[in-house]
Order: sequence, then C-alpha cells, then structure tokens
Amino acid sequence: EAQVTQNPRYLITVTGKKLTVTCSQNMNHEYMSWYRQDPGLGLRQIYYSMNVEVTDKGDVPEGYKVSRKEKRNFPLILESPSPNQTSLYFCASKIGQGAGNTIYFGEGSWLTVV
Amino acid sequence: GENVEQHPSTLSVQEGDSAVIKCTYSDSASNYFPWYKQELGKRPQLIIDIRSNVGEKKDQRIAVTLNKTAKHFSLHITETQPEDSAVYFCAAGVTGGGNKLTFGTGTQLKVEL
Repeated sequence: EAQVTQNPRYLITVTGKKLTVTCSQNMNHEYMSWYRQDPGLGLRQIYYSMNVEVTDKGDVPEGYKVSRKEKRNFPLILESPSPNQTSLYFCASKIGQGAGNTIYFGEGSWLTVV
Repeated sequence: GENVEQHPSTLSVQEGDSAVIKCTYSDSASNYFPWYKQELGKRPQLIIDIRSNVGEKKDQRIAVTLNKTAKHFSLHITETQPEDSAVYFCAAGVTGGGNKLTFGTGTQLKVEL
C-alpha cells in the first residue's frame, strides 16, 4: 500500500528541547516536502526536497532543518523548538518534478511546544 | 511568488443544496489547480484538479471551473451530503518545471441535516 508515514503523531515538548519528526514514503517518489497547518493560514510549506541531497526552503523555514540522505526519508528537525512552532505538521511526497503531480500527505503530526 | 486567496472561510449549507468555494490566484504562469479535502483529524486528499487547457471538469457531484483571464477558479458541490462536511483547500502551481504548489487558507464546509 502506498504510504507516507510520519512519527510521532502526537508530541508535547518543552521549549529548547531538540526534536525530530520522521517521514518515510514507500512510493519511490523523488519529491518530498514538509508543511505546517495553522488555523486561518492553511498549509504553508516549510522545506522541500527534489531528490537525495537536494533540499530547499519553502515559505516558512525559520527554526527548522531537514535532511535527505535517502530517497525514502525526509526528517524534520526542530533544533530549539519554541511555542510558535506549535502546529499540525504534514509530510508529503509526489513523483517527479512539476506541481502537476498528485501530492500524497502523511497523517500529520500534532506538535505542542510549552 | 504566487498568492492564493480562498473564500469563504466558512460555509454552512442545508443537505441537498449546492456549495461553491472560490479561489483567486496572482501568478499568470500557474496552470495547475487542485482541490484537497481534509476531514476532521485526517490528512488532505486530492478530490479533483484542473489544468489551464480546460475550463471545467466534473466528477459526479463535484466540479471545478477555471477562468484564466480573471485568474479565478471555483469548486462546486451539488446535492451536498453530511459526509461532504470538511475543510477544502484550493491550490495553484506550475506543471513541468517549478515544484511549488501554493495553497489557499481553506474553507470549512458544514452540511446541516
């Protein structure tokens, strides 16, 4: 079954404590991306990767890091989380380049920073 | 860059009525316009999309229209049912080159019995 899997699904953490949200896809997609969803703001892109070792900033990259060492994995790293990073995070993937390919979203990770 | 505006932010309709959600975009290069549905607590999923070489596309009770001149596109849901209640996102992007897909801010649709 085609899947984008992210973990953890729910996390409460404290300000400044580094955390990583993992993302893995089994569809051999070149393109992967991270979004955050906040009320009234929709889905905003944090970082994206067009292939292994190729990453780039999205609209709201501040406070986040990513890496793409393998095609299937695209972890999101919060080096020093702050309360304004409390949000619902979605990992996504799609085949190839170009916006015209269907995006597959993971199930989302609810992150609360206190 | 692209800017997508979506209206209304909330929409309440009676079961069986039609619902229309509208989006405008700013980048004339955009040629791909998908719509995603997000049920409560779940991930967004693609429900329909349209490319700039067509003006309308239908899939059972849902349809999308595109006016490239005016830079707006709309989602139409007919004969609404309670299971249509969800948040709907429009998006705009460019195929075959840039990967950027810009999303609207979402519309909370509630279908009342």
